[in-house]
Amino acid sequence: SQQGEEDPQALSIQEGENATMNCSYKTSINNLQWYRQNSGRGLVHLILIRSNEREKHSGRLRVTLDTSKKSSSLLITASRAADTASYFCATRPGAGSYQLTFGKGTKLSVIP
Amino acid sequence: DVKVTQSSRYLVKRTGEKVFLECVQDMDHENMFWYRQDPGLGLRLIYFSYDVKMKEKGDIPEGYSVSREKKERFSLILESASTNQTSMYLCASSSLGLAGTDTQYFGPGTRLTVL
Repeated sequence: SQQGEEDPQALSIQEGENATMNCSYKTSINNLQWYRQNSGRGLVHLILIRSNEREKHSGRLRVTLDTSKKSSSLLITASRAADTASYFCATRPGAGSYQLTFGKGTKLSVIP
Repeated sequence: DVKVTQSSRYLVKRTGEKVFLECVQDMDHENMFWYRQDPGLGLRLIYFSYDVKMKEKGDIPEGYSVSREKKERFSLILESASTNQTSMYLCASSSLGLAGTDTQYFGPGTRLTVL
């Protein structure tokens, strides 16, 4: 069943601008992860944030997590044309679960 | 470098055929997963396996079966392919690891068309 829902569904920005994508989920989680998918390819893991963390950085990526609002955001700073891809959030419901539940994704287009 | 490979990038089959999709990982991961991805529906879990010969149904197991005889290989089987199984199929693996470190590594995907 779908848990994470990304917003917006599609986003188009100019190169050099920042891109922000949001994810909302319904039940408590152990961790939340963001993945990227280039067109027609598999997903690639970007960053993981645990339920007891509020913010995490990795290069040009910044992820925040608000467990009280059951939401997360992914910020890509100084975007590049190569960042054009679909971005998915995925939640792990509990420590004993092996599964991740993926959202439907945000399609980001970065215009050179 | 970690690697998940899938047997085919593109596959065309006829309705009623038995279809095998193979996935191999070289990371000694315990967990393996099969998803299908359709426009507007995102990724949906078909089956997963947390050990050799173990399998668990995901959200949409109907019409599919799986086999895991060796740790590195996880096969998805369409017993009698139907047109509504036309989709992108993605395999992934992950390690049990420490709690909260269960990154999934994906293969490149198999785009299956059933005519």
